[in-house]
Amino acid sequence: EPEVTQTPSHQVTQMGQEVILRCVPISNHLYFYWYRQILGQKVEFLVSFYNNEISEKSEIFDDQFSVERPDGSNFTLKIRSTKLEDSAMYFCASHRGSNQPQHFGDGTRLSIL
Amino acid sequence: DAKTTQPTSMDCAEGRAANLPCNHSTISGNEYVYWYRQIHSQGPQYIIHGLKNNETNEMASLIITEDRKSSTLILPHATLRDTAVYYCIVRVAPDSGGGADGLTFGKGTHLIIQP
Repeated sequence: EPEVTQTPSHQVTQMGQEVILRCVPISNHLYFYWYRQILGQKVEFLVSFYNNEISEKSEIFDDQFSVERPDGSNFTLKIRSTKLEDSAMYFCASHRGSNQPQHFGDGTRLSIL
Repeated sequence: DAKTTQPTSMDCAEGRAANLPCNHSTISGNEYVYWYRQIHSQGPQYIIHGLKNNETNEMASLIITEDRKSSTLILPHATLRDTAVYYCIVRVAPDSGGGADGLTFGKGTHLIIQP
């Protein structure tokens, strides 16, 4: 069964550095999402992407964040200047649309030092 | 999206049916009920969803009350691997005016399967 794939599984970065988290959504999916989960807290929506542009974003998704779909397969989340509070699990999700469910990857654990 | 209410935690004996309730009294006509679970810190895993009819798949059954104000997820024969946090989420489908809104996760129900 096709899966959403995320790389790397764990990223350690110095505060202030830029980080790019990568996702390969399921191939025939049209909607793409990023979520984060700070340790011990709820899963939080960051941003959705459809038709090559941001569709919705939460208050968390400020100017430090950006997303891109550079080719037909990858979907990336960039954090420009990381802060300690960006440490979290970041999950990518995708779905085909209509009433189809979102499918999530296993996440990237981002640790900011 | 409508708000949902779930118990914080539940226990169930291995091999028995686990029945997880969810209240969504403010659900509107074009909102679906989705169930996901999260095992440890893995990505949320889709289980099942429905609009108004009861649904069944290889993982679970979803029973939605006639007034759609509540639903129950049923795991028919729970195993130790079903220990997880279960989330009930109400959401408008994208092609029903929901755009590409993200899912709103609450705290869910921590289901513990006892051996």
